Amino acid sequence: DTGVSQNPRHKITKRGQNVTFRCDPISEHNRLYWYRQTLGQGPEFLTYFQNEAQLEKSRLLSDRFSAERPKGSFSTLEIQRTEQGDSAMYLCASSFGSGYGYTFGSGTRLTVV
Amino acid sequence: AQTVTQSQPEMSVQEAETVTLSCTYDTSESDYYLFWYKQPPSRQMILVIRQEAYKQQNATENRFSVNFQKAAKSFSLKISDSQLGDAAMYFCATNFGNEKLTFGTGTRLTIIP
Repeated sequence: DTGVSQNPRHKITKRGQNVTFRCDPISEHNRLYWYRQTLGQGPEFLTYFQNEAQLEKSRLLSDRFSAERPKGSFSTLEIQRTEQGDSAMYLCASSFGSGYGYTFGSGTRLTVV
Repeated sequence: AQTVTQSQPEMSVQEAETVTLSCTYDTSESDYYLFWYKQPPSRQMILVIRQEAYKQQNATENRFSVNFQKAAKSFSLKISDSQLGDAAMYFCATNFGNEKLTFGTGTRLTIIP
């Protein structure tokens, strides 16, 4: 197993454009999480899935954000009409459950210009 | 509110010496897990050590150990025999008994050769 994979590693987009990120979790893990990390801060929870069901969403996840995990495998995070405030590192993690700790991917760094 | 506080934005230690990173948290839960994560520059978050709140014994992983004081809601990380490869941001986190992890703001650790 190669761990949690995120693509792309970097994304530069113009304000107002839509972007989509992909996360491939560790195959045995049934839980998948999305976090956002800005410079100098710890990661902040966005949403999580158990299998294909999205069970919790943070208030940080505005209606411009949508996440999916079809068939309980990979997940996508889409941001519509990007704003400069969306510039951040978007981290994906997977786990058997939060008590075990997460395995994180390397993240997707989004820059909105 | 359930919060995680790391009061030391930066710490430094001489190579081969011991350093302790502090973390406090606030919760009314009794059953939860605590974690320390390491984030090297431009690299992914790595789980360093995990502690179950219902266990009184402090967790140890090689050169890394914790001092868990449940009543004081304190969870410090001790790194013994510091090595250059230990240089990173260190984040304290807890699940507060649910699925999402809440992170502190991190401590940047510098190792002085």
